[in-house]
Amino acid sequence: QKEVEQNSGPLSVPEGAIASLNCTYSDRGSQSFFWYRQYSGKSPELIMFIYSNGDKEDGRFTAQLNKASQYVSLLIRDSQPSDSATYLCAVTGGTSYGKLTFGQGTILTVHP
Amino acid sequence: GAGVSQSPSNKVTEKGKDVELRCDPISGHTALYWYRQSLGQGLEFLIYFQGNSAPDKSGLPSDRFSAERTGGSVSTLTIQRTQQEDSAVYLCASSWGKDWYSTDTQYFGPGTRLTVL
Repeated sequence: QKEVEQNSGPLSVPEGAIASLNCTYSDRGSQSFFWYRQYSGKSPELIMFIYSNGDKEDGRFTAQLNKASQYVSLLIRDSQPSDSATYLCAVTGGTSYGKLTFGQGTILTVHP
Repeated sequence: GAGVSQSPSNKVTEKGKDVELRCDPISGHTALYWYRQSLGQGLEFLIYFQGNSAPDKSGLPSDRFSAERTGGSVSTLTIQRTQQEDSAVYLCASSWGKDWYSTDTQYFGPGTRLTVL
């Protein structure tokens, strides 16, 4: 079992729809959870982080964390073509003290 | 302010040669990380420096890989006797390195694309 798993994708949604990206993790000691966006040929850029159970909203993005289920998700409302990228879930804490452990990424395509 | 910078942006080398990759972290960041991303692979942790503490080298794939951080700032990742499987994008990140119970966000540099022929 991989330490961090993301829904395999690729995910394709129409412009204006909600994109839902999911991630599960195996280390119950994980403390902080990050979503990065990576455009093709570019380095990852941080979208959001979350470390408390529940929802955290930032503009069109909502991160959701459920530590009991070891599950974290990212919702993108009103998806735009510019949101088309690979989304990386990353966790730290527990046995991954300091370092980020990444999932394999989900490719999102938003079509006009 | 300036972000994380890396050099060179691209490096092509022949199998068996040594290469050095450089990372300049964000000013004031005490933590520095190296990751690599191979084609079709996820981001893989290599090594982590935090202040004056001994680095976490748990992700280095072999003893051909080493890294140092001079003066608590610039870091160099060295790969000796490069192999074709070392071809990847090597990413450096830095963070404030404060109490890790908080959200110590890592900011990534643009990466160095290494190609071993």
